[in-house]
Amino acid sequence: KAGVTQTPRYLIKTRGQQVTLSCSPISGHRSVSWYQQTPGQGLQFLFEYFSETQRNKGNFPGRFSGRQFSNSRSEMNVSTLELGDSALYLCASGRDNGSPLHFGNGTRLTVT
Amino acid sequence: ELKVEQNPLFLSMQEGKNYTIYCNYSTTSDRLYWYRQDPGKSLESLFVLLSNGAVKQEGRLMASLDTKARLSTLHITAAVHDLSATYFCAGPPKETSGSRLTFGEGTQLTVNP
Repeated sequence: KAGVTQTPRYLIKTRGQQVTLSCSPISGHRSVSWYQQTPGQGLQFLFEYFSETQRNKGNFPGRFSGRQFSNSRSEMNVSTLELGDSALYLCASGRDNGSPLHFGNGTRLTVT
Repeated sequence: ELKVEQNPLFLSMQEGKNYTIYCNYSTTSDRLYWYRQDPGKSLESLFVLLSNGAVKQEGRLMASLDTKARLSTLHITAAVHDLSATYFCAGPPKETSGSRLTFGEGTQLTVNP
């Protein structure tokens, strides 16, 4: 059974640019969440999508946005990149029944 | 707002020894998760604890949940080098539905030969 797939694995961008990250959940999982992981702030929740609707949103500026498609695949977009956006971005999918989330290998974003 | 605190944040132990990682959370949460992360890797689910008094064991790891004390523990028995990793506990904020999780800071465990 394929796991959660995130692309690309690594990205290097410059300040002011925008970036789009992609996540394919495990087949049958309709909930997709995004997390930002940094050494200083740890794991922080960005947003969650379920059936193409944003169900929860964390405390991040509007530069961070996402969407989910009818096949449950999700994308997140960060516009006007800042140095502080450098992080590992993790996508997780789940069955939405309290069972554990399954995480992808992440996208390592470096902003220079 | 749910706050999750782990201690210790760093743990260096010898092989063969026992130790416990503590996870305190601030508000009522109806379930608690433990995850493991190896350096440069993603998070791997270890346990989900669903009720007060729940205990789960897998190999040398045992997790428990005390909802009245708002405390979960991850006990390591006779540690081996392969257990070196960062361990996170996480819970869902009561005020939200869905799959949102609030994570603790993580406990970086190093098991020395």
